[in-house]
Amino acid sequence: AQTVTQSQPEMSVQEAETVTLSCTYDTSENNYYLFWYKQPPSRQMILVIRQEAYKQQNATENRFSVNFQKAAKSFSLKISDSQLGDTAMYFCAFISNRDDKIIFGKGTRLHILP
Amino acid sequence: DTAVSQTPKYLVTQMGNDKSIKCEQNLGHDTMYWYKQDSKKFLKIMFSYNNKELIINETVPNRFSPKSPDKAHLNLHINSLELGDSAVYFCASSRTMTDLYEQYFGPGTRLTVT
Repeated sequence: AQTVTQSQPEMSVQEAETVTLSCTYDTSENNYYLFWYKQPPSRQMILVIRQEAYKQQNATENRFSVNFQKAAKSFSLKISDSQLGDTAMYFCAFISNRDDKIIFGKGTRLHILP
Repeated sequence: DTAVSQTPKYLVTQMGNDKSIKCEQNLGHDTMYWYKQDSKKFLKIMFSYNNKELIINETVPNRFSPKSPDKAHLNLHINSLELGDSAVYFCASSRTMTDLYEQYFGPGTRLTVT
């Protein structure tokens, strides 16, 4: 069965610093998608970035980038020049290409300090 | 031990029918949620209950009605199903909703309306 692990329950960094959130997963599949979602206090889930497993190039979206290590089954999120508005819960998610099933990690609570 | 469970996992039904999706959590959490995942993998929050009390009620059609018989259960009832209701629905729970807390997601229910 697929699993997603976020080993950092909580992190705090100063505004403008760079922070990396870790995520590891376990699967026997070769084709899948990985996502990072941001969840502000409103509880909406906002898609931050996605990565297709067949792509070797790491996805980038403005200040957000990932370090995708397929062999190590690692998918970390880097936030550059962090802003106060980045304070939120961040969820790593795995989606199987076979059955479209989505598996979430338990989340990392990120605080950006002024 | 399943933390958050949903039944059924798959639901295929015709337009106009009424259906229910059940959700149960055995974590002792106070807060439960329903999310709808669209085809672009975006999760939109629909409802949130805290200790059986409705807290979040986003703009969803009146045909959707959550029911929480106790704080371990949050069921989603949908009347007069429409084609656009086809999606994957996720239930989730968290210890509280007063702060950024980790959430535990259920496996999802794929609803197909024909």
